[in-house]
Amino acid sequence: DAGVIQSPRHEVTEMGQEVTLRCKPISGHNSLFWYRQTMMRGLELLIYFNNNVPIDDSGMPEDRFSAKMPNASFSTLKIQPSEPRDSAVYFCASSYDGISGNTIYFGEGSWLTVV
Amino acid sequence: AQRVTQPEKLLSVFKGAPVELKCNYSYSGSPELFWYVQYSRQRLQLLLRHISRESIKGFTADLNKGETSFHLKKPFAQEEDSAMYYCALRTLTGGGNKLTFGTGTQLKVEL
Repeated sequence: DAGVIQSPRHEVTEMGQEVTLRCKPISGHNSLFWYRQTMMRGLELLIYFNNNVPIDDSGMPEDRFSAKMPNASFSTLKIQPSEPRDSAVYFCASSYDGISGNTIYFGEGSWLTVV
Repeated sequence: AQRVTQPEKLLSVFKGAPVELKCNYSYSGSPELFWYVQYSRQRLQLLLRHISRESIKGFTADLNKGETSFHLKKPFAQEEDSAMYYCALRTLTGGGNKLTFGTGTQLKVEL
């Protein structure tokens, strides 16, 4: 398997524009996570899906952020409108929650800069 | 609520010196703990997990429930160990599991 695949790898956008980040989890995994990484706050869990259903979105900063998982092989994280403080690395991760001790695998991240 | 604390943002050691990256957690349930490593501008990778009791790249970590700690140790630091290290706690939520991360410790191994 190619692992968790994220796109775009890098994006620079102007404040106010819509940003859509995409994620393809590892085939067969039933949990998907979106994390945000910044120097100040480290890794923060934004939202977590299990079997395509959002389980915990308490980390989503505000209404400008939304996430969807229309099927088991695809998820999006959307920011509309974007602001400079949204600049961060956004990681998608997936795992199979069938057994204890299962590993969560991360994608390479989407580096977002909002100017 | 669960919480993971890594008190040091930066740890600088000389090559060959021992390394200890601190991690403390708070969780009312049975903890499951992990260490992830992130090399420069790369994805996070699982380094080790407490249930495996394994040693990876010379690193070990022992879960101490009395002290609620899961410190990462290596007897002799190597230059290639320079990276960001995250301690993580798995917790059960309705419908599955999630990982809560500490804020990370940047390890710098100097020659």
